[in-house]
Amino acid sequence: GQQVMQIPQYQHVQEGEDFTTYCNSSTTLSNIQWYKQRPGGHPVFLIQLVKSGEVKKQKRLTFQFGEAKKNSSLHITATQTTDVGTYFCAGKYNFNKFYFGSGTKLNVKP
Amino acid sequence: DTGVSQDPRHKITKRGQNVTFRCDPISEHNRLYWYRQTLGQGPEFLTYFQNEAQLEKSRLLSDRFSAERPKGSFSTLEIQRTEQGDSAMYLCASSLEDTTDTQYFGPGTRLTVL
Repeated sequence: GQQVMQIPQYQHVQEGEDFTTYCNSSTTLSNIQWYKQRPGGHPVFLIQLVKSGEVKKQKRLTFQFGEAKKNSSLHITATQTTDVGTYFCAGKYNFNKFYFGSGTKLNVKP
Repeated sequence: DTGVSQDPRHKITKRGQNVTFRCDPISEHNRLYWYRQTLGQGPEFLTYFQNEAQLEKSRLLSDRFSAERPKGSFSTLEIQRTEQGDSAMYLCASSLEDTTDTQYFGPGTRLTVL
């Protein structure tokens, strides 16, 4: 069935280290969105990727969408303590229904 | 603040009782989503409205769950005969039908079924 898998589940890094989370779908996605959820908060939209092979950057964050539109990644360069939270991908197939990954919880040690 | 609001923020109920949650989306947004989130998991799609029409409903949603959006503005989610397994955070999100389709989430209603 349609499902988006996300790894790793947890990532602990030292401040200044890089971080990457990956999402994978067994079938082609229409688009993929990324969200950040701070502890005790609600998901906040970061970005949407639509095109095959698309790469977008937001300051220290780099988002990629695979050529086959089945996988995506979020990379954070030189993490800061403000990056702490859980990062979710949300994949959309044919209809206006989003399948969220299980999230990667990022902890940054100062 | 003109973001998405949800009421109540917390609800504690006994098993077997009915509960109703309300979501007020961002005023010009015509799309409204309900999700359920349990600890350590991502939001799980429940249902989706475009204006007042309910266009998608998860197969995971049993007959005990019903949602409405009568005038295409606010929405309600009702759970009948609650079970302990219904304990979760219920999130509402709204979006504008455009190329971005950014979902703006509300703060959620945390349901605890005793």
